[in-house]
Amino acid sequence: QVQLVESGGGVVQPGGSLRLSCATSGIDFSGSAMQWVRQAAGKELEWVAVISYDGSHISYADSVKGRFTISRDNSKNMLYLQMNSLRPEDTAVYYCARDGGYCTNGVCYFDYWGRGTLVTVSS
Amino acid sequence: EIVLTQSPATLSLSPGERATLSCRASQSVGNYLGWYLGWYQQKPGQAPRLLIYGASNRAAGIPGRFSGSGSETDFTLTISSLEPEDLAVYYCQQRFQWPVTFGGGTKVEIK
Repeated sequence: QVQLVESGGGVVQPGGSLRLSCATSGIDFSGSAMQWVRQAAGKELEWVAVISYDGSHISYADSVKGRFTISRDNSKNMLYLQMNSLRPEDTAVYYCARDGGYCTNGVCYFDYWGRGTLVTVSS
Repeated sequence: EIVLTQSPATLSLSPGERATLSCRASQSVGNYLGWYLGWYQQKPGQAPRLLIYGASNRAAGIPGRFSGSGSETDFTLTISSLEPEDLAVYYCQQRFQWPVTFGGGTKVEIK
């Protein structure tokens, strides 16, 4: 059974930091690229960051570049998102998602998602 | 970045009716190899679920009433006969170019 479970969300003041975790099971984690996607209340989905299966390739949305760091531990099947210098506009539910399973010409889609963890940035 | 515009914002239909959702890209999302457009369904309080990938391929377990079509910049998700459980917001996503982008969503309401 596939499970992706995010944790680490909470309330933080502007300028503060949080570290999100995503515990996975039932997927080929060490063979999969992983993504973080966020969604502000009542808003659309926003891609945040991607990390390749071995961590050698990483990319960020412009809105978080220089403030967020994505990482992974393949020995523990864990994905992380270190979030620094948080801003009120970072307030959202953060989802981790597996990039793979359904691919065309080497381009894959997000086939498994966690339930999300809420991050609130407020004074 | 590629901007995806979805229309209508809200679609209110009765069970059994046909739903047609549009996704228009600011530039082509593919080439002669294929179209890199996916559709996701997000029910209230849930995470998104992949419905369609590569513009027209259904993911496993997705009912046959869901179909995707289109090319270049214009794509459509069709629900042939609406069921009450199809109440959700539907998002398109492009995987042709970084950054990955999503459309603003179409909310499907059941009358």
